[in-house]
Amino acid sequence: NAGVTQTPKFQVLKTGQSMTLQCAQDMNHNSMYWYRQDPGMGLRLIYYSASEGTTDKGEVPNGYNVSRLNKREFSLRLESAAPSQTSVYFCASSGTTSGAYNEQFFGPGTRLTVL
Amino acid sequence: RKEVEQDPGPFNVPEGATVAFNCTYSNSASQSFFWYRQDCRKEPKLLMSVYSSGNEDGRFTAQLNRASQYISLLIRDSKLSDSATYLCVVIWGFKTIFGAGTRLFVKA
Repeated sequence: NAGVTQTPKFQVLKTGQSMTLQCAQDMNHNSMYWYRQDPGMGLRLIYYSASEGTTDKGEVPNGYNVSRLNKREFSLRLESAAPSQTSVYFCASSGTTSGAYNEQFFGPGTRLTVL
Repeated sequence: RKEVEQDPGPFNVPEGATVAFNCTYSNSASQSFFWYRQDCRKEPKLLMSVYSSGNEDGRFTAQLNRASQYISLLIRDSKLSDSATYLCVVIWGFKTIFGAGTRLFVKA
């Protein structure tokens, strides 16, 4: 039972390059999330998927796209990377998106540097 | 004003000390509240949920004050292993907002 897994762990891109961050969970959770974490700013929600087949924008969606491939997998794509997207990216999952018991489980993160 | 605000610290305390963190939130319709712990360069992990009546888990006590719109975390008998960043989380509807975190250093 791996929980939430993310690949890659580290990535360096040049400005304008594209890449996809992969996330998978084996907890049969309905909801999945992508966050970025920057120093002094806490985690900010990029996109979320309340259930398989649906995706919605979070607080900072510009420059990103997502795909909920199936119940297990939720990918984040940077079409044309910019230095402002240098950050640590976390994927998370939960049983539901709302309610008192919405504990989110996080993956280990991807450290992305855009030069 | 930020939707969720925390004192960034750092809080430097000796082992055995009691330390308290507060977190304020702006949306009175907020429904759910949590404290997460994040170790350096690691992912956040749930420490405890926060209930209206207050709740305790060993050395940790969480309180919610809806009238003043803040939640608190009290750590008693601090251990070296408590050194981490503590994030408060507030949820309303489908919106999850993390505070920027409070850093705690516990020293021998």
